[in-house]
Parts: sequence; structure tokens; C-alpha cells
Amino acid sequence: NAGVMQNPRHLVRRRGQEARLRCSPMKGHSHVYWYRQLPEEGLKFMVYLQKENIIDESGMPKERFSAEFPKEGPSILRIQQVVRGDSAAYFCASSPPIDARQGASVSYNEQFFGPGTRLTVL
Amino acid sequence: LAKTTQPISMDSYEGQEVNITCSHNNIATNDYITWYQQFPSQGPRFIIQGYKTKVTNEVASLFIPADRKSSTLSLPRVSLSDTAVYYCLVVGGTALIFGKGTTLSVSS
Repeated sequence: NAGVMQNPRHLVRRRGQEARLRCSPMKGHSHVYWYRQLPEEGLKFMVYLQKENIIDESGMPKERFSAEFPKEGPSILRIQQVVRGDSAAYFCASSPPIDARQGASVSYNEQFFGPGTRLTVL
Repeated sequence: LAKTTQPISMDSYEGQEVNITCSHNNIATNDYITWYQQFPSQGPRFIIQGYKTKVTNEVASLFIPADRKSSTLSLPRVSLSDTAVYYCLVVGGTALIFGKGTTLSVSS
């Protein structure tokens, strides 16, 4: 069972360009979370999605950032008109449906993280 | 949201037992105590979770006193590969709240 996949692993953009980060959750997982990590900092929650729905976006910047998790395909974190302050590692995590966690021996809200996408804005 | 406090860094030698203590004075009744491990250039990885008393798995043990205001992650006989950042989290909702964690350095 493959883990959470993220691509690209490294992304370089110039100021003003758009960045698209992709996340494929683990098989059978319907919950996706995005986090951002600045150097020497812990991860900061951005958004929580289920298929076709944004459940909690309290950590998302109000402008330029958007996320989706379509019925088919990976979850996408989109950053428009990037600025240097957007340079960070972006991690995606997934978890199974709540009613499937006990059968999968998954602890309360255990999230499985991908390897991250390192965004560098020049 | 409960805030956690843990040491910024710890040093150890191979073969020693390492105990990392975390304080969470404002933990809520429904919160679980969870520890994650993160290696450089990788995403965090779940280690262990508990609600009260003691929990043990193949990787670590977690000790939680009755008042639940603190917890201790115990790593038996660490090796060089245990060098990583360890995060203590109090989990009660969907978002995981990460602090800066404890950077554990294991030397030979």
C-alpha cells in the first residue's frame, strides 16, 4: 500500500507566478490535510478537505491560496502570484474515514504524511 | 486549544534510554496526547498516542499521569537513526497543532 504521494518534491517559481502542489492520499483515505512548514518551525495547519468539500480552511491565508480535492484525482494546493514569503515546505496528510479507523487500527485522528513539496520563490 | 511545552533540544548516546517530557496544562477532557517524529526533509510520522496511564508499542512508551497535564515519551536504547525532531501534540479536533518540537541528537 503506497503512502501519501506528493509532487513535485521541489518547485521553483519566480515572484508573481503560480504554484500548484499535488497530493495523492493513501488508498482508501478520504480525508486530506495541508500543512506549511517554515524553516526551523513546526508545521502549521492550512486546510482540511474531504472529497469535493472543504471542511476547515481556518489556516489558509485569505488571498492567493486555494485548495481542492475533486471526486477524481489528487488534491491540489494552488498559490497564485507567489511571493518570497511563500517559500516553505508544504506537507499533505491523509486519514481514513472515521468509521473505518477502528478496523484499520488507526489511532484518533492519526494522520499519514507525505514527503512534502519544497517551494522556493526567487 | 491546548498548548504544549517541551525542551528545544536533547542529546544522548547510542544505547541510552531517552525521556522527553511535555507539559500541556490546559488539556481538555476529550483530548488525546500524541507524539510524532520528523526526520530532515521528510513528513512527520506518528509514533504513539495515549489518553491516560501508560501506552507501549514496538517503538516507544508513553507515560501520562492522572492529571494529564504532562506526558513523557520514552525511547528505549536509542540509536543514531533516532536523531530527529519529536513533536508532542494534544489532539482534540481535525487540525494537528505542531510546536517547534524537541530536536534529539544521538551520538556514538
